[in-house]
Amino acid sequence: AQKVTQAQTEISVVEKEDVTLDCVYETRDTTYYLFWYKQPPSGELVFLIRRNSFDEQNEISGRYSWNFQKSTSSFNFTITASQVVDSAVYFCALSEALRANSKLTFGKGITLSVRP
Amino acid sequence: DTAVSQTPKYLVTQMGNDKSIKCEQNLGHDTMYWYKQDSKKFLKIMFSYNNKELIINETVPNRFSPKSPDKAHLNLHINSLELGDSAVYFCASSQWTSGTGELFFGEGSRLTVL
Repeated sequence: AQKVTQAQTEISVVEKEDVTLDCVYETRDTTYYLFWYKQPPSGELVFLIRRNSFDEQNEISGRYSWNFQKSTSSFNFTITASQVVDSAVYFCALSEALRANSKLTFGKGITLSVRP
Repeated sequence: DTAVSQTPKYLVTQMGNDKSIKCEQNLGHDTMYWYKQDSKKFLKIMFSYNNKELIINETVPNRFSPKSPDKAHLNLHINSLELGDSAVYFCASSQWTSGTGELFFGEGSRLTVL
């Protein structure tokens, strides 16, 4: 069975600090996808990134970067120079691909508070 | 145009009542889902449908009955509401059932059972 662990539950930083959100996953499949979603205080779920299991290249998008390491089954998310607008709950998620009944399994989420 | 829309956004009702939440997507996706987010923010899948056919039923009580009249709509009906049903319910859609595409979520419907 697939599982996603986000061991950090709440993180508080001061604006402009860098912060890393950890994500560890478990799966028996060799083909899978990893995702990060953001849930701001307004409540909607915003897609941030998708990474497939065959692509271990790190990705950078503006102040956001992701580090995927299959050797440690981790897919960590770093926000550089954090801003108050980054305050949200961040979810890491996993889907075992190429199945007709594939489902997205979420971690418990990390609440990030960025203080001015 | 909102890609995935849910109505109502808020629902307050008494225990024992029956209620429905509607969901529509205009993305042309074949697959739709219902997720439940509890008070601790934990997101768990309830159902998924592909082109009106039930694909996933994640051991949800029989009081919950999804209905998909066409592939653009997936409604959720809940009978005999209980206090524990209070949660935010998210509808989502994706292009494929195979887990390769991201899910597009609606804004959520907050259900409060008194």
